[in-house]
Amino acid sequence: GENVEQHPSTLSVQEGDSAVIKCTYSDSASNYFPWYKQELGKGPQLIIDIRSNVGEKKDQRIAVTLNKTAKHFSLHITETQPEDSAVYFCAAIGGGADGLTFGKGTHLIIQP
Amino acid sequence: ETGVTQSPTHLIKTRGQQVTLRCSSQSGHNTVSWYQQALGQGPQFIFQYYREEENGRGNFPPRFSGLQFPNYSSELNVNALELDDSALYLCASSQRTSRTGELFFGEGSRLTVL
Repeated sequence: GENVEQHPSTLSVQEGDSAVIKCTYSDSASNYFPWYKQELGKGPQLIIDIRSNVGEKKDQRIAVTLNKTAKHFSLHITETQPEDSAVYFCAAIGGGADGLTFGKGTHLIIQP
Repeated sequence: ETGVTQSPTHLIKTRGQQVTLRCSSQSGHNTVSWYQQALGQGPQFIFQYYREEENGRGNFPPRFSGLQFPNYSSELNVNALELDDSALYLCASSQRTSRTGELFFGEGSRLTVL
């Protein structure tokens, strides 16, 4: 089955700086890669996703890149703000699987 | 538009007991998935229901079972509870299977097994 590794587990950045979270996956058949943000006491919320036929996708301050050859994808957040503080999860699905495989999460801390 | 709602929000059970968790999917969604999230971990896929039938299952034993009703709401049942079943149980609904569509998660039911 699919295995998703996520790094780092904790990331602390100054407000206004950029943050990058990286994930690798094992199943070359995976073709959909969403990123979720989970705030304390809430369920995960989709913030951006990318499909395997696209290399990069941007939505305002958030971007995701995908390297299918290397089987890794990354989340980039620019001009970080206090409300960006949360746990971020990457996930992957494809190859006949029916459920998302999530990484272990990155706790993003925005320092004022 | 009503989002995904789950009940109860918190519950405590003892080892060996049975539990039923409930989920109302977002309006217009016909697919429901259940995930288990242990403390400090990412969610793990339990199973998915589409049009009242199980449409996929993760690596969970048969004592984890589910139902989907004609109104697309769903239940997760866990028999013979074990200490390791303590976790946040998340329900997610979507308009299509999770292979192609965005999942909308509820806030979860936190189960503690003593």
